[in-house]
Amino acid sequence: QVQLQESGPGLVKPSETLSLTCTVSGGSISSYYWSWIRQPPGKGLEWIGYVYYSGNTNYNPSLKSRVIISVDTSKNQFSLKLTSVTAADTAVYYCAREVYSYGNRYFDYWGQGTLVTVSS
Amino acid sequence: SSELTQDPAVSVALGQTVRITCQGDSLRSYYASWYQQRPGQAPVLVIYGRDNRPSGIPDRFSGSSSGNTASLTISGAQAEDEADYYCYSRDSSGNHLMFGGGTKLTVL
Repeated sequence: QVQLQESGPGLVKPSETLSLTCTVSGGSISSYYWSWIRQPPGKGLEWIGYVYYSGNTNYNPSLKSRVIISVDTSKNQFSLKLTSVTAADTAVYYCAREVYSYGNRYFDYWGQGTLVTVSS
Repeated sequence: SSELTQDPAVSVALGQTVRITCQGDSLRSYYASWYQQRPGQAPVLVIYGRDNRPSGIPDRFSGSSSGNTASLTISGAQAEDEADYYCYSRDSSGNHLMFGGGTKLTVL
């Protein structure tokens, strides 16, 4: 059974960089897309972006200038960096595995989510 | 405004059928996937592709698509189906992905 676990600081100061890592266990990181999704308190889900196991990336245009998603296949991990954070970046951050098959895209495994608060 | 539009809230009587919709230009070309999210929990995939259910999802959940609208139908809604539901697909450019705004389902 594939499991994903987010890790990283729960509190980040304004203007600093939010950094999270997702560790994948129970399966290989190869041949899938690995995504970050966030959810501000009381609001809906927002797709942040993905990294393919080969390293190719795709980001939400509204966040593209501040986001880097990378993968480390040797550690079965992928990471999110979001720069110049503000209070609007306070959210539960989820990592998820995305399948792309026969034109269908869907998230079949999710992490439990980690709350990141931006505050001084 | 979201390029995948969902009704913010829908209600259904216990045991009745409810359809939750997602509208967007990209849905003329791409299927949506659907996620159920209960309070305090991570989302769970319930439907993907034309009408595919992951293992463990009850067969009362089904999906369909017509024109620019994707639909999630729950036939015989149960109390445990009360949750937020999100669609996910490409944006109108086709180059990026996005979620709909979500629909809060209340089972009366």
